[in-house]
Amino acid sequence: GENVEQHPSTLSVQEGDSAVIKCTYSDSASNYFPWYKQELGKGPQLIIDIRSNVGEKKDQRIAVTLNKTAKHFSLHITETQPEDSAVYFCAASLRNNNDMRFGAGTRLTVKP
Amino acid sequence: DAGVIQSPRHEVTEMGQEVTLRCKPISGHDYLFWYRQTMMRGLELLIYFNNNVPIDDSGMPEDRFSAKMPNASFSTLKIQPSEPRDSAVYFCASSNRGSAFFGQGTRLTVV
Repeated sequence: GENVEQHPSTLSVQEGDSAVIKCTYSDSASNYFPWYKQELGKGPQLIIDIRSNVGEKKDQRIAVTLNKTAKHFSLHITETQPEDSAVYFCAASLRNNNDMRFGAGTRLTVKP
Repeated sequence: DAGVIQSPRHEVTEMGQEVTLRCKPISGHDYLFWYRQTMMRGLELLIYFNNNVPIDDSGMPEDRFSAKMPNASFSTLKIQPSEPRDSAVYFCASSNRGSAFFGQGTRLTVV
């Protein structure tokens, strides 16, 4: 089955700096890669996703890149703000079966 | 839509008792997932349903765990008997062949 690895496990940045979180996956058939943000006491919330026919996707300060050959994808947050502090999870799945596997998560802290 | 609704938000129970967690998916979504989150193991997929039918329950840890989806708007995850190592946050999520949306979770503590 699919195995998703995520790095780093913790990340601390200064407000205004960029943050990058990286994930690798094992199943070359995976074609859907969402990213979730989880704040304390809440469920994971989808922030951006990318499908295998696209190499990059942007939504304001958030961007995701995908390298299918290398089987890795990354989340980029620019101009970070304290409210970006949370745990971020990457995931990979085959859209047909919806069997989504998550990375272990990255705890991002943005210092004011 | 109010999103995925889970109840209760918190549950404290004694070892050996039966626990039932409830989930109402987003209307129109035909996939429903149960996840468990712990510090040690992260987010684990326990089981998922498509059109109320269980598709993959390979993540269910033991026979003590069971899940049902009697109709498109309701699902339960039952643990009987519960054990302290079942303590975790349990999430329900739903999707419609696309992105999955999570509920707020049920924090279960078995003492």
